[in-house]
Amino acid sequence: GENVEQHPSTLSVQEGDSAVIKCTYSDSASNYFPWYKQELGKGPQLIIDIRSNVGEKKDQRIAVTLNKTAKHFSLHITETQPEDSAVYFCAASRGYSTLTFGKGTMLLVSP
Amino acid sequence: EAGVAQSPRYKIIEKRQSVAFWCNPISGHATLYWYQQILGQGPKLLIQFQNNGVVDDSQLPKDRFSAERLKGVDSTLKIQPAKLEDSAVYLCASSSGTGYHEQYFGPGTRLTVT
Repeated sequence: GENVEQHPSTLSVQEGDSAVIKCTYSDSASNYFPWYKQELGKGPQLIIDIRSNVGEKKDQRIAVTLNKTAKHFSLHITETQPEDSAVYFCAASRGYSTLTFGKGTMLLVSP
Repeated sequence: EAGVAQSPRYKIIEKRQSVAFWCNPISGHATLYWYQQILGQGPKLLIQFQNNGVVDDSQLPKDRFSAERLKGVDSTLKIQPAKLEDSAVYLCASSSGTGYHEQYFGPGTRLTVT
């Protein structure tokens, strides 16, 4: 089955800095890569996703890049704000199969 | 639109007892998921329903866990008997379809087994 590794497990940045979270996956047939944000006491919420036919996708301050050859994808957050503090999860699937999640990255943005 | 509803939000039980969790998905969503999230880890799928049929229950410990989705709307997840290692947050999610469709998560039920 699919295995997703996520790094780092914790990330501390100053407000206004950029943050990068990286994930690798094992199943070369995976073609769907969503990112979820989980705030304390809440369920995860989708923030951006990318399919394997695209190398990069951007939505305001958030971007995701995908390298199919190396089987890794990354989340980039620019101009971080305190409200970006949360746990971020990457995930991978073959599209119509179930999602496999990484272990999460706790992002702390200090004012 | 109303989100995914779950109850209870918190539950404390002793090992070997039984417990049940309830989920009401977003109206019209045909696909419903139950995940187990152990502290410090990502969600792990336990079971996926499409309407009232099971699509994937390969990671559900069937000797102690059961789930049903009668009438293809709300769902119940049961653990009987509970073990210490079942302590986790149980998340319910729903989507309008499978695969590329966004999954909407409920707030979860935090279970502590003592």
